[in-house]
Amino acid sequence: DAGITQSPRHKVTETGTPVTLRCHQTENHRYMYWYRQDPGHGLRLIHYSYGVKDTDKGEVSDGYSVSRSKTEDFLLTLESATSSQTSVYFCAIAVGRSDNEQFFGPGTRLTVL
Amino acid sequence: DQQVKQNSPSLSVQEGRISILNCDYTNSMFDYFLWYKKYPAEGPTFLISISSIKDKNEDGRFTVFLNKSAKHLSLHIVPSQPGDSAVYFCAGPSQGGSEKLVFGKGTKLTVNP
Repeated sequence: DAGITQSPRHKVTETGTPVTLRCHQTENHRYMYWYRQDPGHGLRLIHYSYGVKDTDKGEVSDGYSVSRSKTEDFLLTLESATSSQTSVYFCAIAVGRSDNEQFFGPGTRLTVL
Repeated sequence: DQQVKQNSPSLSVQEGRISILNCDYTNSMFDYFLWYKKYPAEGPTFLISISSIKDKNEDGRFTVFLNKSAKHLSLHIVPSQPGDSAVYFCAGPSQGGSEKLVFGKGTKLTVNP
């Protein structure tokens, strides 16, 4: 079974500070994703990765960067957090025969004051 | 532009009755769809999918119907149970590639005892 951990699970920070969220998978799935979930917006893709050091932007990538130096870890960085980035962040991996199903982590609740 | 639309933010039904959640899409090239269920403070979990070569897929109490001519799919839950109370998201492949999904905004289902 695919396993995903996200850390931290909760974080409160101040505007202007850098924040890094970590996603760790226990298997060697190629595709990894970062989403944010906000009321009235559903799940929106921030960035995704299709391999080590291979990443691409999603629909709401402004203000975020990502890195993937190992297959199992996908980091999301807010270089200078803003209040509009207060959200719940979910990491996901593509699973299934054609990588067309996604398995989600438990989420990180981030509050930017 | 929303590629996948869930026009009902919420739905309330009585226990034992049928719940019908709806989703419309814009891209006739979509070849599969997925439904996810999300409880508060948890990540979304995969519920059921359907390929465009089918018009129906059933899994226990959950059935998804696909009407390609209307670009519409629906999720039926029969009979509804209080434990089904959650937010339901429909998703389809992003225009950028099948390894990416685009999600609707979600419908919050409440099943009353």
